Amino acid sequence: DIQMTQSPSSLSASVGDRVTITCQASQDISNYLNWYQQKPGKAPKLLIYDASNLETGVPSRFSGSGSGTDFTFTISSLQPEDIATYYCQQYDNLFGGGTKVEIK
Amino acid sequence: EVQLVESGGGLVQPGGSLRLSCAASGFTFSSYWMHWVRQAPGKGLVWVSRINSDGSSTSYADSVKGRFTISRDNAKNTLYLQMNSLRAEDTAVYYCARGATGLDVWGQGTTVTVSS
Repeated sequence: DIQMTQSPSSLSASVGDRVTITCQASQDISNYLNWYQQKPGKAPKLLIYDASNLETGVPSRFSGSGSGTDFTFTISSLQPEDIATYYCQQYDNLFGGGTKVEIK
Repeated sequence: EVQLVESGGGLVQPGGSLRLSCAASGFTFSSYWMHWVRQAPGKGLVWVSRINSDGSSTSYADSVKGRFTISRDNAKNTLYLQMNSLRAEDTAVYYCARGATGLDVWGQGTTVTVSS
């Protein structure tokens, strides 16, 4: 079975900082990797699909890259409204463990 | 407006059953694969099950296989999750979501609590 390892599990950064989250698959998943944002008490929101495609309406400070087994999610300039937990997802099923992003 | 609305959650005893529903509106429901995803209190997202657009193909997480059944009624624009032999570890918010790869539309969730 494929395993998805997401890191770090949490991070603290300042407004304006560049934030990077990684997700590693235990086997080659091509570009079948999505990224979601979940704010407390809310449903998740799709940000990036197929590893690097920005979902319509999502700010351009969010980006994704990678293929095969190693993937990266980046917030180029952290904003206060980006405080949330971020999840990677392989294709349409298995999720990573999540990364909680906080403001320093 | 594209919308998914879950219902049917509640408190159930261990070993009991519950059926969740997810009413879709604002899009052509019969054209989309649909999913159930759950989230235990304070924990991460866990994919539960998916069904293809015409209901002919389903898939389940190992943790629910043989206990949960996903189905859909395209005439009623409704997705279902029949949950049997419920366990304490099934306690979670259950979300329905739309999508074939990325899950681009989510409901607000319905809470299932399994406890005696």
